[in-house]
Amino acid sequence: GAVVSQHPSWVICKSGTSVKIECRSLDFQATTMFWYRQFPKQSLMLMATSNEGSKATYEQGVEKDKFLINHASLTLSTLTVTSAHPEDSSFYICSARGTSGDTYNEQFFGPGTRLTVL
Amino acid sequence: AQRVTQPEKLLSVFKGAPVELKCNYSYSGSPELFWYVQYSRQRLQLLLRHISRESIKGFTADLNKGETSFHLKKPFAQEEDSAMYYCALRRGGGATNKLIFGTGTLLAVQP
Repeated sequence: GAVVSQHPSWVICKSGTSVKIECRSLDFQATTMFWYRQFPKQSLMLMATSNEGSKATYEQGVEKDKFLINHASLTLSTLTVTSAHPEDSSFYICSARGTSGDTYNEQFFGPGTRLTVL
Repeated sequence: AQRVTQPEKLLSVFKGAPVELKCNYSYSGSPELFWYVQYSRQRLQLLLRHISRESIKGFTADLNKGETSFHLKKPFAQEEDSAMYYCALRRGGGATNKLIFGTGTLLAVQP
C-alpha cells in the first residue's frame, strides 16, 4: 500500500511553454503533499507544501507565480511550471503525507519527473 | 533554522565491513529524525525513524541529543546496501512539520 505516482515520468518542452506534473496518492488520502526539486548529485530541496482545498505554502526563494500548485482533491496535487526556461530543467519529486491508519503522518514519495527545457 | 548535515558525499566499504553514515542536525526544539534510502533507479523510501528505535535491514540509528547526531550504522555491510542515504529532520508536531533533508551520502559496498 501507500503508493504515490507521478505523471509524466519525463517531459521535454520548448522554452516559454508551460508544463503540468501530476502527483497522485493511489491508495490513501493525503491532505498534504510536498513538492521537491533535486539537482544532479544534490539533495532534495523543498519547494512548496500543498494543502488540499487551500493555497500552497512556498519556501523562501520559490516563485509562486512560476510554480503553480493546485491540490484540488485528497489524492491529487499538480505542479505547473509556467513559461519554462532551461534553468527550470530538473528532477521534480512529490511526496504525500497520509492522514490515517498506517500512513498517518508518514511521507511517501513519488518516482519523480524529469523536466528538460530546451 | 533547521539544518541537516551529512559530511560524507561518498562512503566506500568492502562487503562485511562495518558502516557508519554520519548525520548531524541543528534545531532548537525536539526534532523527529529519519533516514531515507534511494536505491538505483528507485524512489526515495523511509528506512527508519528515531522514535521507533527499530532495526531495519540490519541498520540502526540512535539519536544523540547532546551531540545533535543521528548516525546510521550497520555492523556488516552487504552489496545490496549500496544506495543513496539521506538523513532528514522534521519539527515535532504541528501543521508545518515538513522534512528537511541532508545532502545525502552515497554508500558503495564493494564485493
